[in-house]
Amino acid sequence: GAVVSQHPSRVICKSGTSVKIECRSLDFQATTMFWYRQFPKQSLMLMATSNEGSKATYEQGVEKDKFLINHASLTLSTLTVTSAHPEDSSFYICSAAGLRYNEQFFGPGTRLTVL
Amino acid sequence: AQSVTQLDSQVPVFEEAPVELRCNYSSSVSVYLFWYVQYPNQGLQLLLKYLSGSTLVKGINGFEAEFNKSQTSFHLRKPSVHISDTAEYFCAVSEGNRDDKIIFGKGTRLHILP
Repeated sequence: GAVVSQHPSRVICKSGTSVKIECRSLDFQATTMFWYRQFPKQSLMLMATSNEGSKATYEQGVEKDKFLINHASLTLSTLTVTSAHPEDSSFYICSAAGLRYNEQFFGPGTRLTVL
Repeated sequence: AQSVTQLDSQVPVFEEAPVELRCNYSSSVSVYLFWYVQYPNQGLQLLLKYLSGSTLVKGINGFEAEFNKSQTSFHLRKPSVHISDTAEYFCAVSEGNRDDKIIFGKGTRLHILP
């Protein structure tokens, strides 16, 4: 199957700062990327769907001004958590889908800790 | 709207014993069904998926699942578990196979007892 990477794998930041998380499809072009959030011992909750070159579609209850998503190329999507606060601490996982494969592939996740 | 219910939050089972993880779904349209596994501090790995055709789906690591439309279920089974199967298992549903969003259940933690 295809490989999706995320960077960084872990990040610790101070409250009020912004953090950028990258999601890359390494061996295929991802026309659609998804961003999920997972709290400890809970399920994945979809935050937004992004298509290359378009604005992201956010799920209900997700603040688009706080979680900025950019999908500028067919291999890269970024999630920026702006003015992060401790309640934003979570495990963020992306997935990518493209024409080459008949399924989505998930990244290894990024653990964000806001102090 | 679609939803997924995983009836057990945790399932303890002895090594080499069989296991079944239960999953029920609801949807007003035809769906695609998935089972994913998540090892600690890692992303998700697809175990198997049902798109159409045979209702018995075989996946990786010896797992299989059966789609039952009348009972709206997609239970995951393995005839003999190994200690390495200790992980969180997520049942999921999607209206499309690739580009549509996936809705996840709350997960079932499989705890293998020695």
